[in-house]
Amino acid sequence: KAGVTQTPRYLIKTRGQQVTLSCSPISGHRSVSWYQQTPGQGLQFLFEYFSETQRNKGNFPGRFSGRQFSNSRSEMNVSTLELGDSALYLCASSLTSGRASGEQFFGPGTRLTVL
Amino acid sequence: AQSVTQLGSHVSVSEGALVLLRCNYSSSVPPYLFWYVQYPNQGLQLLLKYTSAATLVKGINGFEAEFKKSETSFHLTKPSAHMSDAAEYFCAVSDGNNNDMRFGAGTRLTVKP
Repeated sequence: KAGVTQTPRYLIKTRGQQVTLSCSPISGHRSVSWYQQTPGQGLQFLFEYFSETQRNKGNFPGRFSGRQFSNSRSEMNVSTLELGDSALYLCASSLTSGRASGEQFFGPGTRLTVL
Repeated sequence: AQSVTQLGSHVSVSEGALVLLRCNYSSSVPPYLFWYVQYPNQGLQLLLKYTSAATLVKGINGFEAEFKKSETSFHLTKPSAHMSDAAEYFCAVSDGNNNDMRFGAGTRLTVKP
């Protein structure tokens, strides 16, 4: 069974640009969560999507948005990029959402560098 | 809201020595607790999880963790370190209701030959 895939793996953008990251969950998984990982802030929860609906959102500005498609693939968009958005963005999938979901499976991440 | 504190950002042990990585949590509801490992340039891999069953949880690669409610701790141990255990380890807590996991800052484990 294929794991969680994220594309692209590496991305370089300049301030003010926007970026879209993609995540394909494990087949059959319907929940996709996004995390930002930086040396200073560690791993921070961005949002979770389940059945094309945003179920929960972390404490990030509105420049960070996402969506989920009917095949459970998810995209994350960051507009008006700032230097501080440079990070490893991790996607995780799980079978369901909520307390019964248990384990999340993580993708390898997309490393975004903002110049 | 739940939170996690990992004591020690760096831990160094000799090969064959005991590994002990500390994690304390705060949660207003019975927590789900997790330990993940991250190797360079990779995502997170689940080592083990506690979901209110047995308090001593055994995971992959010889790791185990014990849930101690009275101490609000979930420390990770391995009796004998191997060079391949060198990585960053994250403790995480979730109340589960919204799948909103909170991660600790991570502990980088170095294994000396």
